[in-house]
Amino acid sequence: NAGVMQNPRHLVRRRGQEARLRCSPMKGHSHVYWYRQLPEEGLKFMVYLQKENIIDESGMPKERFSAEFPKEGPSILRIQQVVRGDSAAYFCASTLDNRRSPLHFGNGTRLTVT
Amino acid sequence: DQQVKQNSPSLSVQEGRISILNCDYTNSMFDYFLWYKKYPAEGPTFLISISSIKDKNEDGRFTVFLNKSAKHLSLHIVPSQPGDSAVYFCAVTTSGTYKYIFGTGTRLKVLA
Repeated sequence: NAGVMQNPRHLVRRRGQEARLRCSPMKGHSHVYWYRQLPEEGLKFMVYLQKENIIDESGMPKERFSAEFPKEGPSILRIQQVVRGDSAAYFCASTLDNRRSPLHFGNGTRLTVT
Repeated sequence: DQQVKQNSPSLSVQEGRISILNCDYTNSMFDYFLWYKKYPAEGPTFLISISSIKDKNEDGRFTVFLNKSAKHLSLHIVPSQPGDSAVYFCAVTTSGTYKYIFGTGTRLKVLA
């Protein structure tokens, strides 16, 4: 998993607070994905971004969730007014392009909502 | 709508024997297939991939087989080692698109 950096590794929030998850892609990668893994489940696509553009956010809940990938700096996944059901592992992945390139994942942020 | 299925949630194999993990998909438009390994508290790690123009790709102890007519993908690990114990995910995509769809994973346990 070298290269894709996610922070924090663990995040604890009370219900109603905001959670901000950060992802720095591998050097040279301009395609970023966010996936969510609930306990005992697989990886669910949330959003796909390129620099300064959200390409597909069809996997994200329409309320409270947002994502960005600014020209400078990391990609941010933001969850407002968190609820217990948001507790999950959130993984960021990056790739060089979308032509048969594997996704490279970070180690995830484990969000716990109390 | 499960486009990618890994029907075995878990598999136990003796050290030194072959591990075979399976994956089925529904859409014949998928043309690039990947396997990932995931340890607890870590992100998935890319293992091996195959494009639809091939039916086999080998990398060391890992071989991926693709049967396009059956829409079936398998990962063979031989010989299996205790360090291979992890959850394995298959993933599929169509070239030129950005959607990578993952299966639900198979937990492999290699017994020493």
